[in-house]
Amino acid sequence: ETGVTQSPTHLIKTRGQQVTLRCSSQSGHNTVSWYQQALGQGPQFIFQYYREEENGRGNFPPRFSGLQFPNYSSELNVNALELDDSALYLCASSLPGGYGYTFGSGTRLTVV
Amino acid sequence: DQQVKQNSPSLSVQEGRISILNCDYTNSMFDYFLWYKKYPAEGPTFLISISSIKDKNEDGRFTVFLNKSAKHLSLHIVPSQPGDSAVYFCAATLLMNYGGSQGNLIFGKGTKLSVKP
Repeated sequence: ETGVTQSPTHLIKTRGQQVTLRCSSQSGHNTVSWYQQALGQGPQFIFQYYREEENGRGNFPPRFSGLQFPNYSSELNVNALELDDSALYLCASSLPGGYGYTFGSGTRLTVV
Repeated sequence: DQQVKQNSPSLSVQEGRISILNCDYTNSMFDYFLWYKKYPAEGPTFLISISSIKDKNEDGRFTVFLNKSAKHLSLHIVPSQPGDSAVYFCAATLLMNYGGSQGNLIFGKGTKLSVKP
């Protein structure tokens, strides 16, 4: 049974650019959630996808968007990057309802 | 305003002794609480959880205590081992959401535990 895989592990982007982060769910999990963890903070909920539709969103602007694919993998897209977007982005997959939440190792995004 | 607070950024404990990590919450609607452990360069891993209908849950060396009236929970690790050195996050959610279609977690800022040999 594979865990949650995220790519890339590290990324450096320039302010104003766009970025796409990827996540492969754990086998059998059809729900994906994304979290942002800024330095010295706990993870903050961005949004969740279930059956390829957004199924809950935290306090993040619309330039944060996502996709879920039929194989349950997911993408997080961030447009018009700002310096404050520098953070560790965590993907978590789960069974419906959040049971069995499993986190990936994250993508470290640095915006310069 | 932070709904889940871990007021101790760090804790240092001697191997074999008890580690007590504390967490406070402000939203009385929260009814399910979780502790996660995070090593550097890894994602958070689930440790133990507790529902608001209980005041204690135990799993091996880890015990979580919940005091609903004080809106306070604590994680006890006995005995502490050097491998327990990590950042510990407290998280809360609404069981209705957790068991429903959402299930997003509200995390504290974490406490870095160092267990010295």
